[in-house]
Amino acid sequence: DTEVTQTPKHLVMGMTNKKSLKCEQHMGHRAMYWYKQKAKKPPELMFVYSYEKLSINESVPSRFSPECPNSSLLNLHLHALQPEDSALYLCASSQDFNARNTEAFFGQGTRLTVV
Amino acid sequence: AQSVTQLGSHVSVSEGALVLLRCNYSSSVPPYLFWYVQYPNQGLQLLLKYTTGATLVKGINGFEAEFKKSETSFHLTKPSAHMSDAAEYFCAVRGDNAGNMLTFGGGTRLMVKP
Repeated sequence: DTEVTQTPKHLVMGMTNKKSLKCEQHMGHRAMYWYKQKAKKPPELMFVYSYEKLSINESVPSRFSPECPNSSLLNLHLHALQPEDSALYLCASSQDFNARNTEAFFGQGTRLTVV
Repeated sequence: AQSVTQLGSHVSVSEGALVLLRCNYSSSVPPYLFWYVQYPNQGLQLLLKYTTGATLVKGINGFEAEFKKSETSFHLTKPSAHMSDAAEYFCAVRGDNAGNMLTFGGGTRLMVKP
C-alpha cells in the first residue's frame, strides 16, 4: 500500500465554521506534511510532523491547527478561515524526516473553498 | 539556500514529439532531485528521483532525466509525447536547507497537441 488518503475531497465552509481535514497512510512513514497549493503555483509547506511531534511550522496563521493523533493519521483543524485560504490542501508522508534520499508520497488533496 | 528554476511555465508539443522540460537547481551540498507530475485536481505523483549513482534516471510513463552536476541541471525528457502526458510537472530538490525539506520549482504545464 503506497497510498496517502485524504478526506474529504472537496469542502465548502463559511468563515465562521470549524472543520477538519484528515490524512491517513499505512506505509509506516514517520514523517507527515501539510502543504497548501494555490492555482498555478507549486505546493507551499505548512507543517511537518516527525515521529508524531510537530517539527516545523512555516509561520502558518493560528486559524490552521495541525494534529497528529498517531503515526498513521494527520489532521488539519480549520477555524475562522478567510476566502484567501481557499486552495488545494495536500498531505504527504515520507519514510523519515532526516532521510534525504527518500521521496514524499502525496495524497489527492482536499479542495477547500471558503465562502 | 537551495533553489529550483524551471525554465518555461508552459511547454507545448505535438503528439509523438520529444518532450523536454528544463530544471536547474542550486545547492551547497550534493542534491537529491525529484520530478513530480500533477494532473488536474489531483495530488503529486513521483515520476523519478536522483539520489546517488547513475546520473541517467528512468522513471514511470517513459520519462527519464539526467543529472548534470557541471550544468546544475536535471532536465526531464520523453522521446514521444502522448496526449495523456498533458499535466503540470514540478522539479524539486532536497539539499542544504534545514530539515531536509523539498524545495519546488514553479512548475511547467505541458500541453500536447493532437
